Amino acid sequence: GEDVEQSLFLSVREGDSSVINCTYTDSSSTYLYWYKQEPGAGLQLLTYIFSNMDMKQDQRLTVLLNKKDKHLSLRIADTQTGDSAIYFCAGNAGNNRKLIWGLGTSLAVNP
Amino acid sequence: DAMVIQNPRYQVTQFGKPVTLSCSQTLNHNVMYWYQQKSSQAPKLLFHYYDKDFNNEADTPDNFQSRRPNTSFCFLDIRSPGLGDAAMYLCATSRLGQGVLRTEAFFGQGTRLTVV
Repeated sequence: GEDVEQSLFLSVREGDSSVINCTYTDSSSTYLYWYKQEPGAGLQLLTYIFSNMDMKQDQRLTVLLNKKDKHLSLRIADTQTGDSAIYFCAGNAGNNRKLIWGLGTSLAVNP
Repeated sequence: DAMVIQNPRYQVTQFGKPVTLSCSQTLNHNVMYWYQQKSSQAPKLLFHYYDKDFNNEADTPDNFQSRRPNTSFCFLDIRSPGLGDAAMYLCATSRLGQGVLRTEAFFGQGTRLTVV
């Protein structure tokens, strides 16, 4: 079945770049998403990429998609302490109604 | 601002006592979802409404029910909460249909349920 995998933890220093990686199995996903969840809060959509694109940039965020390897990454430039959160990768399932979620990557930003 | 609102943010209920969580949206989205999220885990879809059409996930326990009286509101009813039902419950909405290409979900802030 569909599966989305992420590394669980990432620690970076403030000002460095962060790269969060995700692999997925469902090649029919037309859109892939990155969500951010701060402690005790809901999930906030950060960005998305259409499956026929290989890169999308949005201010400090860069999404790279390697469709052949089914690999997605989120790069955060100049990481700040406010970026500390859990980041979830998600792709839409074949019927488009549901999202398939990764387990989330916990990003810790150290001053 | 258009948004998804969940009430209350924190709910404490007694073991076995029915509890209802509420969600409302001003986005006029036709799909509403309920997710359960336990600590350090991904959100787990319980069910969703596509307009008035209820869609249960195969592994959602019978203890969990939902109602959607109109487009704007959706409720999660837990008939007999157990200790294992303590979690964050997230409501989300999407707009699906002809001509809609992206189906990202918009989330409320969640309700943290504690069972005592």
